[in-house]
Amino acid sequence: QITLKESGPTLVKPTETLTLTCTFSGFSLSTTLEGVGWIRQSPGEAHEWLALIYWNDETRYSPSLESRLTITKDNSKNEVVLTMTNLDPVDTATYFCAHRRGHSFFDTWGQGTLVSVSS
Amino acid sequence: VMTQSPATLSVSPGERVTLSCRASQSVYNNLAWYQQKFGQAPRLLIYGISTRATGIPARFGGSGSGTEFTLTISGLQSEDFAAYYCQQYNSWPLTFGAGTKVEI
Repeated sequence: QITLKESGPTLVKPTETLTLTCTFSGFSLSTTLEGVGWIRQSPGEAHEWLALIYWNDETRYSPSLESRLTITKDNSKNEVVLTMTNLDPVDTATYFCAHRRGHSFFDTWGQGTLVSVSS
Repeated sequence: VMTQSPATLSVSPGERVTLSCRASQSVYNNLAWYQQKFGQAPRLLIYGISTRATGIPARFGGSGSGTEFTLTISGLQSEDFAAYYCQQYNSWPLTFGAGTKVEI
């Protein structure tokens, strides 16, 4: 059974850097085709895909946010970390991590973590 | 760009509902549907346009091709009142529709 859980700060000040951790179980990111992505959902808005990392260290980023995002993984800890720089109040959202196998859909999602950006 | 319609659908239990999703360009069969209840994570319902995910009841059905897709719920049950989102995974960036809220 695959599970994922997001963790990180609930409140961040504008211009600060956000670091979110996705801790997962039920699969290994050292196994071929396995991947973990980050998606966010602002209040009243559509889901926005942010970044994705694969078993082979391939990374993909949303073009609109690529300059601010870094995604990394730690296979020994079963963790994926997303870093977003220069936060703005418009980045206030619930951030989800999700499992993806190959170039397909997200089959399992974490519960999400709400991040507010405010001074 | 994924466009869903309608934004909100008011229905009664037992009714059949049809939700639409349109892609700005062909996504071939790389189309998924998710259900999300308030405060919960999205749940995968359908992938590959019409394949139900594990444990998804048969009342959920997906259809369509190319750029036009439909999610049908036959015999709406109380637990089906939620928001539904389509997503294309054919090309980068991965994109989602804005969703259809199914309410009583």
